[in-house]
Amino acid sequence: SQQGEEDPQALSIQEGENATMNCSYKTSINNLQWYRQNSGRGLVHLILIRSNEREKHSGRLRVTLDTSKKSSSLLITASRAADTASYFCATPTQGGSEKLVFGKGTKLTVNP
Amino acid sequence: DTAVSQTPKYLVTQMGNDKSIKCEQNLGHDTMYWYKQDSKKFLKIMFSYNNKELIINETVPNRFSPKSPDKAHLNLHINSLELGDSAVYFCASSPGLRDSPLHFGNGTRLTVT
Repeated sequence: SQQGEEDPQALSIQEGENATMNCSYKTSINNLQWYRQNSGRGLVHLILIRSNEREKHSGRLRVTLDTSKKSSSLLITASRAADTASYFCATPTQGGSEKLVFGKGTKLTVNP
Repeated sequence: DTAVSQTPKYLVTQMGNDKSIKCEQNLGHDTMYWYKQDSKKFLKIMFSYNNKELIINETVPNRFSPKSPDKAHLNLHINSLELGDSAVYFCASSPGLRDSPLHFGNGTRLTVT
C-alpha cells in the first residue's frame, strides 16, 4: 500500500529560487528518505532523516520531519537547472528498510 | 564501475512472449530488490532477496519469477507477457541494514505490444 504522498505533484520555478516539496505519510516510521530521479534514470538517494531528528542539512538540501503531523519537507535552496528531476519520499515498513514504500513524487522543473 | 547495472535498458516484445531482465551489483550488498514504476511514476516493490533468500514477495502475478544465483545477482523472468506489464523495472540493492538507503539501477523499460 502507498505510504507517502508528495505535494505538489509538479513545481516549476526559476533558477536561483528555492523549491519546497512536501511529503505526508500514514503510519509510524523510524526514518524517512528522499530520492531524486532524473529523466530516464534510476533513483538516487539524497538524504535520510530519523524519527528522532527534526531537521537535517546536506549541501543545498534541507529536510524537516514532523512526526506529530506525519509530514516531511524537502527544501532545495538556490536551485539550478540541473536540479530538474522528480523527487520522491520513501518510508520503511516492517520495522526497517527491508521494504521501502515510495510516494508518487514531485516533478520539479527549474527554468534557466 | 557501475554499482547496480541492469540489462537490457529497453525491451520491446509481443504479448505472450517470455522475457528476462538481469541485474548485477558490485557494492557487496546483501539485499536486492525489484521495483516496478508505472506510467504515472508510481514505484512499487515487487520482490526482495537477502543473501539469495526471498524475503519480500508482494502481490505479483505468478508469471513473474525472480531468481538470485548469488547475492550479487537478481534476475527477473516474466512469462506470458501482457500489455499491462509495460512499465519501467528497477533493480536496487542495499546493505540490508536498518536505515540503509537503496542504490538503484537505471531501469529497464519494457514495452509489450
